[in-house]
Amino acid sequence: EVQLVESGGGLVQPGRSLKLSCAASGFTFDDYVMHWVRHSPGKGLEWVSSINSNSDTINYADSVKGRFTISRDNTRNSLYLQMNSLRAEDMALYYCVRDGGLINPLYYFDYWGQGTLVTVSS
Amino acid sequence: SYVLTQPPSVSVAPGQTASIACGGAYIENKYVHWYQQIPGQAPILVVYDNSDRPSGIPERFSGSNSGSTATLTINRVEAGDEAGYFCQVWDGTSDHPVFGGGTKLTVL
Repeated sequence: EVQLVESGGGLVQPGRSLKLSCAASGFTFDDYVMHWVRHSPGKGLEWVSSINSNSDTINYADSVKGRFTISRDNTRNSLYLQMNSLRAEDMALYYCVRDGGLINPLYYFDYWGQGTLVTVSS
Repeated sequence: SYVLTQPPSVSVAPGQTASIACGGAYIENKYVHWYQQIPGQAPILVVYDNSDRPSGIPERFSGSNSGSTATLTINRVEAGDEAGYFCQVWDGTSDHPVFGGGTKLTVL
């Protein structure tokens, strides 16, 4: 059974940093492109970032480019999101998501974690 | 950037058919994917590539994409189908996935 379990969310002040983690199991992690997607009441679902299996193709939404860094450790079956210079508009439920394509991305999302909540407030 | 437009809400009686629209420029040239999100739960992929269903998704869920609108159709609607539904495409111009704003399906 595919499982994606996020952690690392919490309350953080504007301008500070937070690192999210995602533990994957139930599939061959390094066969898949992985994504972070966030959901906020005001903006709905928003794709944040993606990383391919060997980490040489990485993409970011314009809203987080230069502030967020995605990474993965295939030996630990883990996905990460380092979030710096956090803003109020980054407040959301962050989902770890698997791409629907095997090896090559198809850019739809076939498995989602339960999400970890990031609250940005002073 | 590419914009997908969905109606904020759709209401339907149990046993009837719900149709949820997703509009976008030249959407007929894109693959459209649909997700169901029950409050408090993670989204679930219910249709991919316009009309394909992942394993485990009931045949009551179907998708189409023609003209300027993609449509998710839910036949014989049940109370458990009450949820938010989001469409999504890949925007080749920005090289990013894009989501619609979501439609809340209410089962009367």
